[in-house]
Amino acid sequence: NAGVTQTPKFRVLKTGQSMTLLCAQDMNHEYMYWYRQDPGMGLRLIHYSVGEGTTAKGEVPDGYNVSRLKKQNFLLGLESAAPSQTSVYFCASTPTGGRNSPLHFGNGTRLTVT
Amino acid sequence: GDSVTQMEGPVTLSEEAFLTINCTYTATGYPSLFWYVQYPGEGLQLLLKATKADDKGSNKGFEATYRKETTSFHLEKGSVQVSDSAVYFCALSATGGFKTIFGAGTRLFVKA
Repeated sequence: NAGVTQTPKFRVLKTGQSMTLLCAQDMNHEYMYWYRQDPGMGLRLIHYSVGEGTTAKGEVPDGYNVSRLKKQNFLLGLESAAPSQTSVYFCASTPTGGRNSPLHFGNGTRLTVT
Repeated sequence: GDSVTQMEGPVTLSEEAFLTINCTYTATGYPSLFWYVQYPGEGLQLLLKATKADDKGSNKGFEATYRKETTSFHLEKGSVQVSDSAVYFCALSATGGFKTIFGAGTRLFVKA
């Protein structure tokens, strides 16, 4: 019963490098989300997807790109990492877009950009 | 826009003490309200929720009541344990939307 799985768990990048974070869910959820968590700021939505092949911008999308080629996977890319992108990144999913559906989270990826 | 405000931490309590973490919100329409808990090194997990006014969500001894008149959803527990040490997030999901808005989180430390 894996739920939402994120890889990698930790990563250190130099400024300007690129990387992709992978999120996989085995619950057949339609909606998937990427959040970043910074001290004192809660979680902020980066991008989200309402179904396979769709993506949309959230609250803080600049510097990130996403893709949802398969329903179970949601990828977050950083094309040219900056120190301001040092954060903990969480992927989440919900079965539908209804307001009563709680988010199911992965365990996060801690990214440091030097 | 919609927002959630929760009390700043950290909150430090002794085991068996009473816990209250305040949460207030602003939202158009009638949001659903949630409390999530994050244990060290883990992702957030749902603790409890309430979907309409006067609903009480409860789980693992924690409770919170949806108060529309005061736009609040305060988290309470009568007797905390060391294992309750974690960060607690209040959140709302607004009517007609699926985006969840989070508070800043409150870190709780419980001493034996």
